[in-house]
Amino acid sequence: SQKIEQNSEALNIQEGKTATLTCNYTNYSPAYLQWYRQDPGRGPVFLLLIRENEKEKRKERLKVTFDTTLKQSLFHITASQPADSATYLCALDTGGYQKVTFGTGTKLQVIP
Amino acid sequence: NAGVTQTPKFQVLKTGQSMTLQCAQDMNHNSMYWYRQDPGMGLRLIYYSASEGTTDKGEVPNGYNVSRLNKREFSLRLESAAPSQTSVYFCASRLDRGHEKLFFGSGTQLSVL
Repeated sequence: SQKIEQNSEALNIQEGKTATLTCNYTNYSPAYLQWYRQDPGRGPVFLLLIRENEKEKRKERLKVTFDTTLKQSLFHITASQPADSATYLCALDTGGYQKVTFGTGTKLQVIP
Repeated sequence: NAGVTQTPKFQVLKTGQSMTLQCAQDMNHNSMYWYRQDPGMGLRLIYYSASEGTTDKGEVPNGYNVSRLNKREFSLRLESAAPSQTSVYFCASRLDRGHEKLFFGSGTQLSVL
C-alpha cells in the first residue's frame, strides 16, 4: 500500500543549528514533492516544491533534496531560529487533480 | 487579500445533526479541495473539485457531500453527523492540477457529541 512516513517524534534543536527533517515514501511515483509549514490552529502554508528530475532546491535558509531512487526527501533549515518552530508536512503530488497526499508531519522545536 | 476563507471556525454538533461548512477563494483558482486532519493521521482528502461543475471523491468521502456552487465557492455538507467526524476541516485551492501549490484556509474545528 502507499505510505508516506515522516518522523512522528518531535525534533528539538538548538538555535543556530541546522534542522533536518525526513520524508520517506513507498509505492508512489510522485512527479513533484512539496513541503508545507503548519502553525498551531492554522492551515498549512506552502514552502517549497521540487520536481522529480531535480536533486536539490533552495530558498533562503531552506533546502530540499529529492532522491527518487531512495524514495526520500530531506528538508533542511539552516541557522534555525525559534520562529522556525512549527510542524512541517511533506506532500506528494503525482500531477493529477486529486493526488496531493500528505504525510503526518514532524514537529520542530527550536530552543533558544 | 483574503485568499481562502472558511466558515465557521468552530462548531459543536450533536450526533445526527446536519451542517454545511463553507469555503470561498478569491484567487480565481480552478481546483478546490476539502481535507480533514486528525492527530496522527495527517491531512486526508475528502472531496475535490477540478473545475466548476465537477466534483470527485477523495480518500475518505463517506458521510460527506459537496457542492461546487460556482468557481469561488465549494461547500462540504455533513447530513447526519457522527462522533467519528470530529476533526479539523481544511479547504484548499490551487490554480490548476499538477505541480501547483495549495492555498489553505484557516480551518474549521468540528466536534460531534
